[in-house]
Amino acid sequence: DVKVTQSSRYLVKRTGEKVFLECVQDMDHENMFWYRQDPGLGLRLIYFSYDVKMKEKGDIPEGYSVSREKKERFSLILESASTNQTSMYLCASSLSARVGGQYFGPGTRLTVT
Amino acid sequence: KQEVTQIPAALSVPEGENLVLNCSFTDSAIYNLQWFRQDPGKGLTSLLLIQSSQREQTSGRLNASLDKSSGRSTLYIAASQPGDSATYLCAVRPGTDKLIFGTGTRLQVFP
Repeated sequence: DVKVTQSSRYLVKRTGEKVFLECVQDMDHENMFWYRQDPGLGLRLIYFSYDVKMKEKGDIPEGYSVSREKKERFSLILESASTNQTSMYLCASSLSARVGGQYFGPGTRLTVT
Repeated sequence: KQEVTQIPAALSVPEGENLVLNCSFTDSAIYNLQWFRQDPGKGLTSLLLIQSSQREQTSGRLNASLDKSSGRSTLYIAASQPGDSATYLCAVRPGTDKLIFGTGTRLQVFP
């Protein structure tokens, strides 16, 4: 079974702090994704990576950056957290092959006060 | 631009009923379609993955069908149980590695 883990289930940070969200997958998937999910807005793609050290912007990259130094690990960084970044953050991974489905982690509920 | 719509947005049924959740997409050029379940405050759990060349997939009481030419997929849940209460999302994989998600159907099964 695919396993995607996220470093924290719940996180509370102050405005202006630098925040790191970590995601690890154990299935040797090439692709990894970061989404945020907000009521009424659904899932929105922040960034994704299709290989180590490679990244592409998603639909809402502003205020975020990412890092992928190893194939199994994909980090989301909030350079200076703001209250409008309070959200549920979901990480996912997939094979790059056409047949691949996406598999999600348990999510991190981030609150910025 | 690919758009994915799910109908109904919410559904409340008594335990034991057979259910059909609908998903429609505007562009038939997809690699696959995936159905997910999400419990409140949790991540997405993959239920079924249907490749573009397939017509249906089954897992236990769940059956998903795909009609690519008409841009439709259905998720059939047999003999529903209160534990099936969750939000169900469908997503299509177009000619990229990204998914396009539907709006979701919130299902409540009451005893």
